[in-house]
Amino acid sequence: GQNIDQPTEMTATEGAIVQINCTYQTSGFNGLFWYQQHAGEAPTFLSYNVLDGLEEKGRFSSFLSRSKGYSYLLLKELQMKDSASYLCAVIGNDYKLSFGAGTTVTVRA
Amino acid sequence: IAGITQAPTSQILAAGRRMTLRCTQDMRHNAMYWYRQDLGLGLRLIHYSNTAGTTGKGEVPDGYSVSRANTDDFPLTLASAVPSQTSVYFCASSETSGSSNEQFFGPGTRLTVL
Repeated sequence: GQNIDQPTEMTATEGAIVQINCTYQTSGFNGLFWYQQHAGEAPTFLSYNVLDGLEEKGRFSSFLSRSKGYSYLLLKELQMKDSASYLCAVIGNDYKLSFGAGTTVTVRA
Repeated sequence: IAGITQAPTSQILAAGRRMTLRCTQDMRHNAMYWYRQDLGLGLRLIHYSNTAGTTGKGEVPDGYSVSRANTDDFPLTLASAVPSQTSVYFCASSETSGSSNEQFFGPGTRLTVL
């Protein structure tokens, strides 16, 4: 079975940094994705990690430690438009995505 | 059209009725997926298709069926809807079913079964 855990909610101030943690216990590991989903909209791709380390893409970075079953998504210089749900998803041995329940981030002025 | 489209956008359905959710992509992607999204549970895979002519069961397939007659279309059918199938349904596609391929999601169908 797949078990993917992430916090339910986080709140941060505009311009600040927020780190969203994701821990996973899955049947095999073939990569980890982060998606962003604004309320009422479809998820959109943010990042993909398959090797240990940090992947940086503009204001967003994603980190992976396969030995610890752990990833985080780092959002820097928060903007109001970053208020959304962030979904952690793992590909296991079946090559299908298993999603966490998502973390709702609220950015306050 | 560009990307993935889904129809209808939303639907209210009486229990026991049959319903087909439509999904079309124009990216010539081989793999397509159907998910349902429920509060607190995240996205769960219902059915998938790695290529035209093949389908497979996901995590929550009961009460749903799919077909993949061609590359572009991947309809999801509820043969006899029940209230527990009230959810938001997302169709997605990826270039192949390989691990590094990001999935592109359609705008979703909000279904209410009364």
